[in-house]
Amino acid sequence: NAGVTQTPKFRVLKTGQSMTLLCAQDMNHEYMYWYRQDPGMGLRLIHYSVGEGTTAKGEVPDGYNVSRLKKQNFLLGLESAAPSQTSVYFCASSYDSRRAEKLFFGSGTQLSVL
Amino acid sequence: GNSVTQMEGPVTLSEEAFLTINCTYTATGYPSLFWYVQYPGEGLQLLLKATKADDKGSNKGFEATYRKETTSFHLEKGSVQVSDSAVYFCALRGGYNKLIFGAGTRLAVHP
Repeated sequence: NAGVTQTPKFRVLKTGQSMTLLCAQDMNHEYMYWYRQDPGMGLRLIHYSVGEGTTAKGEVPDGYNVSRLKKQNFLLGLESAAPSQTSVYFCASSYDSRRAEKLFFGSGTQLSVL
Repeated sequence: GNSVTQMEGPVTLSEEAFLTINCTYTATGYPSLFWYVQYPGEGLQLLLKATKADDKGSNKGFEATYRKETTSFHLEKGSVQVSDSAVYFCALRGGYNKLIFGAGTRLAVHP
């Protein structure tokens, strides 16, 4: 049972470089989310998607873009990385919003921007 | 807007001690409330939830009661173990099943 898989697990970037984080889920979930986790601030929502082909901004969307071309994948892009984007990134998914469904989380991506 | 406030950590306890981690929330209406746990090097896992006022969520010896009069959802456990050492997050459910998290409380349990 793979659940939610994030790649890569670790990455170091230089300021101005770009990269894409991949999230894949095999549970046929409709909803997917990208969070970032910073010390003392908990998890903050970057972007989310309520279905294939849809995306929406969360609490801290600036500097990130996302795409949901396939239902099982949710990509998070950094076009020009900044040191302020050093964080741990978590992807999550849930079936839908009709019930208080729990979110299933990936194991995270540790990103450092130098 | 919606927000969650948790007690600051770290909380350090001896094995078999009683645990309380405070959580209060601000929200319109009565959102579902959750406690998630994050073990070292892992993603978050749902620990328990409550969907309406006066509900009690429970799992693995942990309990939390949804108190609308005090807008609280405090996490308790009667006897903690070393294996409970983790970071605990209180959260409320917003629209589209988005979760709004508190800052997290680190728990360290020593033998």
